[in-house]
Amino acid sequence: SAVISQKPSRDICQRGTSLTIQCQVDSQVTMMFWYRQQPGQSLTLIATANQGSEATYESGFVIDKFPISRPNLTFSTLTVSNMSPEDSSIYLCSGGQGHEQYFGPGTRLTVT
Amino acid sequence: QKEVEQNSGPLSVPEGAIASLNCTYSDRVSQSFFWYRQYSGKSPELIMSIYSNGDKEDGRFTAQLNKASQYVSLLIRDSQPSDSATYLCAVKGGKAGGTSYGKLTFGQGTILTVHP
Repeated sequence: SAVISQKPSRDICQRGTSLTIQCQVDSQVTMMFWYRQQPGQSLTLIATANQGSEATYESGFVIDKFPISRPNLTFSTLTVSNMSPEDSSIYLCSGGQGHEQYFGPGTRLTVT
Repeated sequence: QKEVEQNSGPLSVPEGAIASLNCTYSDRVSQSFFWYRQYSGKSPELIMSIYSNGDKEDGRFTAQLNKASQYVSLLIRDSQPSDSATYLCAVKGGKAGGTSYGKLTFGQGTILTVHP
């Protein structure tokens, strides 16, 4: 299994600003992903963080709004740009070797 | 049709009973199936994975997979109040080179309550 940490665990931000979330895995993983979970909802995949190349975004998510970096096999960042109250959500990163994926504790973002 | 659909909840069972959680999926080439448990305010925790038809048992948990019927289930025996959580079924895209390869698609979740 993989142990995943995220920073920050929560934040309250003003609209129009940006927040970068960090995700650290305790071992090298082939795949890392970023998800969003809105209150009472299931998980929605934002993008696949590709090591050494541009992230692959799901329908409805764009790079200008959610730029992602993945400089190596254990670390990734997600930036939520030009935030609005609709971006208030929990953001989760996941990673894994092989078939299984493990989740970080999540970042609870509130935009005022 | 949703790609991954779980039985509607919430599900309430008495302590000691068997809780049965069901999930159907639409992508026939999917090869990997997972059950996650999510406590309120926490992130999803992987509790079971299954890759071939049949049953897989781990302690009080049994996952069942039927690829022909595109159906996966989770049985929790001797349910405990600590099992009360949301259970998420996840299916991994299976076709190498396909747009869904390696990605998990989640069902909407089933809230389970085990009452004493």
